[in-house]
Amino acid sequence: NAGVMQNPRHLVRRRGQEARLRCSPMKGHSHVYWYRQLPEEGLKFMVYLQKENIIDESGMPKERFSAEFPKEGPSILRIQQVVRGDSAAYFCASSPPGRGANEKLFFGSGTQLSVL
Amino acid sequence: KQEVTQIPAALSVPEGENLVLNCSFTDSAIYNLQWFRQDPGKGLTSLLLIQSSQREQTSGRLNASLDKSSGRSTLYIAASQPGDSATYLCAVRPDYGNKLVFGAGTILRVKS
Repeated sequence: NAGVMQNPRHLVRRRGQEARLRCSPMKGHSHVYWYRQLPEEGLKFMVYLQKENIIDESGMPKERFSAEFPKEGPSILRIQQVVRGDSAAYFCASSPPGRGANEKLFFGSGTQLSVL
Repeated sequence: KQEVTQIPAALSVPEGENLVLNCSFTDSAIYNLQWFRQDPGKGLTSLLLIQSSQREQTSGRLNASLDKSSGRSTLYIAASQPGDSATYLCAVRPDYGNKLVFGAGTILRVKS
């Protein structure tokens, strides 16, 4: 059972370009979370999705950022017109359906976005 | 608004020492608390999860405690080894949502 898969591992973009980050959750997991980690800071929640639905996007900037989790395929975090301040590590996590107290989040290895 | 603080920010110890990492949170209405390990350039590995109704969890040389009413958790690492060197993150899941709120982490270095 493969873990949470994120690609690419490293992504370099010039200012103004678009960045697309992909996340395939663990098998059987229908909940996906995106977090951002700036240098020397903790992880900050961005968005929580279930299949075809955005449940909570309270941590996502209102402009330039969007996320989706289609019925088929990976979850995508899309950043339009990237700026240098978008440079960070972006982590995806997944969890199974339900909300049991023992429900752990499983994290991917992250995508390191560098904006030149 | 839930805030999570971890102390110390960094810790350097000789191999074999027992050590304690601290985590505090401002809102006691939590669903569970999770300790993670993060190695440089890598993702997070879940170490221990404590339900809000529990007081502690143990796994090997690791023991995590939870005092929900005072908003504190500790991660105890026994007989530390160089392989324990990593960043340790504490995260709480509130009662009212699904997202985790993370602390900034403790960077641990165990010297051989």
